[in-house]
Amino acid sequence: QVTLKESGPVLVKPTETLTLTCTVSGFSLSDPRMGVSWIRQPPGKALEWLAHIFSNDEKFYSTSLKTRLTISKDTSKSQVVLTVTNMDPVDTATYYCARTGGTSGRDFDYWGQGTLVTVSS
Amino acid sequence: DIQLTQSPSFLSASVGDRVTITCRASQFISTYLAWYQQKPGKAPKLLIYAASTLQSGVPSRFSGSGSETEFTLTISSLQPEDFATYYCQQLNMYPRIFTFGPGTKVDIK
Repeated sequence: QVTLKESGPVLVKPTETLTLTCTVSGFSLSDPRMGVSWIRQPPGKALEWLAHIFSNDEKFYSTSLKTRLTISKDTSKSQVVLTVTNMDPVDTATYYCARTGGTSGRDFDYWGQGTLVTVSS
Repeated sequence: DIQLTQSPSFLSASVGDRVTITCRASQFISTYLAWYQQKPGKAPKLLIYAASTLQSGVPSRFSGSGSETEFTLTISSLQPEDFATYYCQQLNMYPRIFTFGPGTKVDIK
């Protein structure tokens, strides 16, 4: 059974760095078919893709946010970590991690439940 | 970057209606398009990938079609559980960037 679960702080202050962890089960982060993305959704708004990491450690980022994002993985712990620097209230959103590789490799077949992060002083 | 637009942004429909949502890409994307359903407070759920392939477990009343720059998601007979927001999504290969459409909310008439 494939599952993904996000964890991290629910509240961060402006200018702080956010660190989120996605813990996966039911598949291996070393499987060459698999990748994991982070996607966020501000309240009442659309989905926004942030970053992706493949099993070979290849990474790519949203054009508009790439200077603030870092994605990494620890295969032995089955975890994918996202850091977002210089948080701002506009970064308030539900943050999801999602898997690619189970279907065409270009879409997300499994998602975590999401974690709401609020940015406020 | 490739942009995705969806139309309509909002539609009001009745149970049993046939519903069609359109997604347009700003550039050629072949058939590399997926559709998701999202209900309030829940994560998105993959419905269709590769433009027309139904994800396992998704009811057959959902179908997808299209290629190049224009794609459609059709619900043949709307059911009460289908009232939700629907998003299209694509992966651009060079540079590798995932993009979501702005969403279409399907509400009860």
